Amino acid sequence: QTVVTQEPSLSVSPGGTVTITCGLSSASVSTTHYPSWYQQTPGQAPRTLIYSPNVRSSGVPGRFSASILGSRAALTITRAQADDEAHYYCVLYMGSGGWVFGGGTMLTVL
Amino acid sequence: QVQLVESGGGVVQPGRSLRLSCAASGFSYTTYGMHWVRQAPGKGLEWVALISYDGTVPYYADSVKGRFTISRDNSKNTLYLQMNSLRPEDTAVYYCAKDLEMIVFDYWGQGILVTVSS
Repeated sequence: QTVVTQEPSLSVSPGGTVTITCGLSSASVSTTHYPSWYQQTPGQAPRTLIYSPNVRSSGVPGRFSASILGSRAALTITRAQADDEAHYYCVLYMGSGGWVFGGGTMLTVL
Repeated sequence: QVQLVESGGGVVQPGRSLRLSCAASGFSYTTYGMHWVRQAPGKGLEWVALISYDGTVPYYADSVKGRFTISRDNSKNTLYLQMNSLRPEDTAVYYCAKDLEMIVFDYWGQGILVTVSS
């Protein structure tokens, strides 16, 4: 069974930079997994942020960017703001029409 | 603007069935694949199923294969999820989401809660 791993929680200071990563238990993440990233605040539906290779959804500020860092996909948030506090999820395409979400990262801005 | 509105959720006993619907508007529905994604209470997101733009090719997560059926009616711009043999672990908020070239879930509905309990 494929497991996609993320940091369970991270914190960042207002104005700071944070990177959330997304990895596979038994392989490296590559562009063929088409990693994408989603933001979710309590009680709300997920919001699409960014998808492969580094395409931001409409309305998503340029402070959000995506990349592959080593063997993991990464979401970097610069100039962090209070309203960036949320859960962040990655998802990887595993082929044959299957997708696996990471467990999510709770980002605290303090 | 793109709108996806789920309906059909509720409380159902284990072993029973339920059908969810997702009404789509604001885009060319017949051109895009559509997904179902779920989220158990307090847990993360789980992909459930995808159906191709024309309804001919479905894909399923192993956790629902053989019990759930995804389908669509392109004349009604509506997506469905038929859920049979429901289990308590199927309790979740179910979201429909629009697919973009099988690389991103680019729009999401607001979600509908399904509770499987006796």
